[in-house]
Amino acid sequence: QSVLTQPPSASGTPGQRVTISCSGSSSNIGSNTVNWYQQLPGTAPKLLIYSNNQRPSGVPDRFSGSKSGTSASLAISGLQSEDEADYYCAAWDDSLNGPEVVFGGGTKLTVL
Amino acid sequence: EVQLVESGGGLVQPGGSLRLSCAASGFTFSSYWMHWVRQAPGKGLVWVSRINSDGSSTSYADSVKGRFTISRDNAKNTLYLQMNSLRAEDTAVYYCARTVATGTLRYFDYWGQGTLVTVSS
Repeated sequence: QSVLTQPPSASGTPGQRVTISCSGSSSNIGSNTVNWYQQLPGTAPKLLIYSNNQRPSGVPDRFSGSKSGTSASLAISGLQSEDEADYYCAAWDDSLNGPEVVFGGGTKLTVL
Repeated sequence: EVQLVESGGGLVQPGGSLRLSCAASGFTFSSYWMHWVRQAPGKGLVWVSRINSDGSSTSYADSVKGRFTISRDNAKNTLYLQMNSLRAEDTAVYYCARTVATGTLRYFDYWGQGTLVTVSS
């Protein structure tokens, strides 16, 4: 059971726009910035979005992030076949007795 | 070029020990906090442990507290995870991750390729 809640799956056709939600609480998303990681099949996670909506160098502007209150979302526009991957949201958590960093359970994106 | 290369994984019996290493290059290792994150087969990412830049502060997930020890050797640009009293549920790919931590800005900007730990008799 992950601390952050994501839908287990999402899908879209090439060119479509898809969004992935991430829900948390006041101690994590409500107090800290949200980061998103992309994990292509058989590879290590890669930073996709940091600080809610910032893209590292090299990440296409088709990827965007947003945050409101204790929820966040990742949007992918102009969906491409190479976007098929697992996507994880993450945030630091200020709970006294909980983990320092919390992740969502991951969303498997399928490009139909 | 930033590189993180994990090693030390393998098959170990329940109750056994293993030490993972993460060799860092391409950046000033001693300036960064580092974390370990694991991923059980077919499952999601789970945070394991963190160490600050000079090794004076550490934190652990409850599931590994008292069994795992994170450490670093800044002279060797290497991060470690000593894992004792291993259990079947510790079976996972273990990733080391470099951390950007500036004010409210905190994220893992680089990850290693991972090393697989299998705990089984």
